[in-house]
Amino acid sequence: EAGVVQSPRYKIIEKKQPVAFWCNPISGHNTLYWYRQNLGQGPELLIRYENEEAVDDSQLPKDRFSAERLKGVDSTLKIQPAELGDSAVYLCASSKAGNQPQHFGDGTRLSIL
Amino acid sequence: QKEVEQDPGPLSVPEGAIVSLNCTYSNSAFQYFMWYRQYSRKGPELLMYTYSSGNKEDGRFTAQVDKSSKYISLFIRDSQPSDSATYLCVINGDYGQNFVFGPGTRLSVLP
Repeated sequence: EAGVVQSPRYKIIEKKQPVAFWCNPISGHNTLYWYRQNLGQGPELLIRYENEEAVDDSQLPKDRFSAERLKGVDSTLKIQPAELGDSAVYLCASSKAGNQPQHFGDGTRLSIL
Repeated sequence: QKEVEQDPGPLSVPEGAIVSLNCTYSNSAFQYFMWYRQYSRKGPELLMYTYSSGNKEDGRFTAQVDKSSKYISLFIRDSQPSDSATYLCVINGDYGQNFVFGPGTRLSVLP
């Protein structure tokens, strides 16, 4: 079974520039999560999808962050404009259902200059 | 009080030692308990998953849950240098609720 695939692995941009991250979950996994992980901390949820519906986006900074999950499969997370404090690892995870263990991709490491 | 707390370490042990990693939580409604291992520059990887009090064993790993004390542990027997990683405890309430991650404990197993 192929794992969760994320791209790009690394991204370096200047502040105020836009950036996008892409995630392909495990086939058949209906629930998709985007997390942000700062150094030395556990992942923090940004948004959770059940199929194509965002069921929890309460922690997503909606003034600059947006996400979509087309046809309930792949997902894209966007930041526009990026700020220095957005430097972190952005992790995507998927699970068969909302209370099942999640499987993570290797993340996108974002650096803002 | 944070929902999930872990000693951040770092914890250094010699190869072959028994390692004990611990986690406490505050919400008695939590029902599902997981341990993830995260290597540097990689995503978290599921190690153990349980939903009841007691012990669950998988090879060199044993997960222990004490719901009355709101305390979970992960034991690693015969630790290896390849076990050097950050260990995250993760807890969930019920369907539709979000997973809560501890900050992780960084473990180094020295050859």
